[in-house]
Formats: sequence, structure tokens, C-alpha cells
Amino acid sequence: GAVVSQHPSWVICKSGTSVKIECRSLDFQATTMFWYRQFPKQSLMLMATSNEGSKATYEQGVEKDKFLINHASLTLSTLTVTSAHPEDSSFYICSARDPYRQAHEQYFGPGTRLTVT
Amino acid sequence: KQEVTQIPAALSVPEGENLVLNCSFTDSAIYNLQWFRQDPGKGLTSLLLIQSSQREQTSGRLNASLDKSSGRSTLYIAASQPGDSATYLCAVRKGGATNKLIFGTGTLLAVQP
Repeated sequence: GAVVSQHPSWVICKSGTSVKIECRSLDFQATTMFWYRQFPKQSLMLMATSNEGSKATYEQGVEKDKFLINHASLTLSTLTVTSAHPEDSSFYICSARDPYRQAHEQYFGPGTRLTVT
Repeated sequence: KQEVTQIPAALSVPEGENLVLNCSFTDSAIYNLQWFRQDPGKGLTSLLLIQSSQREQTSGRLNASLDKSSGRSTLYIAASQPGDSATYLCAVRKGGATNKLIFGTGTLLAVQP
């Protein structure tokens, strides 16, 4: 149980275009989902927290107009990187929280590798 | 602001050795601490989660300890195997409504056959 998927697993796009990444909780309903970014050889940095049916909360320094997050259902959250630039190339990982499990544990997706050319 | 540091940044050991990975955090007001494993280009696999009221957790060859007052946690791996090679991340969760995970810098482990 507690499986989180991401799609696509990797994507290459041209500078200036937009890319959408999906995060799904497959066997539980996630009231809260988190989006992280990981640059090469660095740790995960939280970008934003999304709650189903409400606006996402962004971490300091993360542009909300550039990284659009939508959490329209209890099993799906999307991250859209708008007007992507090469510096947005990174590994994006989502996680989902199962409110019915103890300790507020988060379950992580396999990640999406974004390369902007 | 919570900062999480892991030492060493990289570690290479021969197969069969026991090893210890260290994690320290600056704010002791944590809800729990979690250890993860990350294989290259992959997502995270949760290894152990220790509540703030606990001292240690064990799973197979893994044992994690927590000393909240001193802001430290260790991950002990017994009888290391080449399949243990990965990056190990610790993360602390602050209590309350935030539920945010703050990740450490990671330790890259290589177990040589």
C-alpha cells in the first residue's frame, strides 16, 4: 500500500515552453501533497505544499507564477513549470501524505527528470 | 531555521563492514525523524521513522537512534552489502500543522564487493 506515481518519469523540453508533471496516490487519498526539487548531488528542497481544493503554499524563494500547482482531487496533484529555462532543469519529486496512517508519514513518488534545452 | 547536516558526505567501505551514518539538526523541537534511501536517479525509499519520544528503531540490519536533546541521529548498518550502495538521507519533521520535512545533505555510501 501507499504507492505514489509520477508521470512522466523524464521529459525534455525547449526553453520557453511549459511542462506538466503529474503526481498520483494510487491506493490512498492524499489530502496533502508536497513538491520537492533536487539539483545534482544536492538534497531535496521543498518547493510547495498543496492541499486538495485550496491554493498551494509556496516556500520562500519559489515563484508561484512559474511553478503552478493544482491539487484538484484527493489522488492527483500537478506541477506545471511555465516558460521553462535551462536553470529549471532538475529532478522533481512529489510526496503524498496519508492522513489515516500514523506519524503523518509521507510517501514519495519515483521522481521526474526535467531537462530544458 | 532548522538545518540538517549529515556526516560524512561520502563513505566507501568493503563488504561486510558495520558502519554508522550521522545526522545532526539544529532545532530539537521535532515531531519525528526519518531515514531514507535514494538510488541514483530514483525517488526515496523510507527506511526507518523515529518518533520524538523514541530512542531507536530497528529494521533488519538497520538500526536508527535518536537523541533529540543533542540534535543527533545515527543510522547503523550491520554487515554491509554492495546492494546497500546508495545515498542515505535523514529528514526531520516539525510538529504542528506544517508537517514539513527538512532534509539533510545526504551521505553517499559505496560498499565495495
